[in-house]
Amino acid sequence: KAGVTQTPRYLIKTRGQQVTLSCSPISGHRSVSWYQQTPGQGLQFLFEYFSETQRNKGNFPGRFSGRQFSNSRSEMNVSTLELGDSALYLCASSPPTPKRYFGPGTRLTVL
Amino acid sequence: DQQVKQNSPSLSVQEGRISILNCDYTNSMFDYFLWYKKYPAEGPTFLISISSIKDKNEDGRFTVFLNKSAKHLSLHIVPSQPGDSAVYFCAASEETGSARQLTFGSGTQLTVLP
Repeated sequence: KAGVTQTPRYLIKTRGQQVTLSCSPISGHRSVSWYQQTPGQGLQFLFEYFSETQRNKGNFPGRFSGRQFSNSRSEMNVSTLELGDSALYLCASSPPTPKRYFGPGTRLTVL
Repeated sequence: DQQVKQNSPSLSVQEGRISILNCDYTNSMFDYFLWYKKYPAEGPTFLISISSIKDKNEDGRFTVFLNKSAKHLSLHIVPSQPGDSAVYFCAASEETGSARQLTFGSGTQLTVLP
């Protein structure tokens, strides 16, 4: 089975712009979660989608949003980018178990 | 407020010796715990897990211990190998409504010296 794929792998944006990141889960996995990783902060939970519905949301401002499509693919969007949004954004898919299978991440740099 | 804490940002161990990585949690609703390993430029990969009904789970060189009364989790790697050098994240899971939420610690950088 192919693993979780994320595109693009690297992005450079400037403050005030918006960005959309994409994630394709493992075939058969209906749950997709998004995490932000910054140095020293570990993996901070952004949100989780299941069958096109957001079922959990972390403590991030409304500039961070996401959606899931009928084929379970997911996108996350960050509007009005700030310097502090520079991070590795990880997508994870899961079957109905606690285990998460992560993609390689998208490295976002905001200048 | 961090519900899952890894208080050691880094750990160095000689090849062949034991590596012990620690994790503390505060939320008594966590009922499943996982360890992930992460290499640079890759996503975290699942290593080993343990349910709260157990106190030990073993998989090859990796053993996870759970002390529920102390709300403490540890990962033992024996013997340690240079390829084990990576960042290790512990994670704890709880059921929230219809979903399972996973909360991660901040990670420990393990360096195994040849």
